[in-house]
Amino acid sequence: SQQGEEDPQALSIQEGENATMNCSYKTSINNLQWYRQNSGRGLVHLILIRSNEREKHSGRLRVTLDTSKKSSSLLITASRAADTASYFCATDGFDQGGSEKLVFGKGTKLTVNP
Amino acid sequence: DTAVSQTPKYLVTQMGNDKSIKCEQNLGHDTMYWYKQDSKKFLKIMFSYNNKELIINETVPNRFSPKSPDKAHLNLHINSLELGDSAVYFCASRVWREGEQFFGPGTRLTVL
Repeated sequence: SQQGEEDPQALSIQEGENATMNCSYKTSINNLQWYRQNSGRGLVHLILIRSNEREKHSGRLRVTLDTSKKSSSLLITASRAADTASYFCATDGFDQGGSEKLVFGKGTKLTVNP
Repeated sequence: DTAVSQTPKYLVTQMGNDKSIKCEQNLGHDTMYWYKQDSKKFLKIMFSYNNKELIINETVPNRFSPKSPDKAHLNLHINSLELGDSAVYFCASRVWREGEQFFGPGTRLTVL
């Protein structure tokens, strides 16, 4: 299965601290994306990293990708209470039937305490 | 303006009923998706349409029938609803094979 697996499943930190979430996957990918989901809401795209990139930044977000280890990490620096949400990695690639699709991991539930 | 909208937001119905969920996007995208998110927050693709053509049909019971009347709309009709169909259904869209997907707010379906 192409499915990503996030780790940890849940993370609780204090405001101002950094939060690191990891994602591992099993097959080759075109890109890997991170999404955020606030409680009761839809998913919001955060950042995309292509298979030939190793690191990408966007504001307080830093994403790394290691295709040899089939893993990615999302770092949120100087966290805020508003960052409290579930974070999902999604791998974009072709399945055995040749269809391109996003396959989501199970998510990391981040709680940032004020 | 809402980019990807879904109706209804909540749907509570009895087992055996038939129901529909509608999705519309005003982003000019040519590819639309239906996802199912279960109670453990696991999000799984169900269907994908590109230019009104079905391109992905995951192992979904025949009771689920998507329809795309045009590129901006993707509806999902569910026959003979079962308890296990209770979930949040998300619609999403993007430009064909280009990066990020834009998600709707979800439809929470509860089958009693």
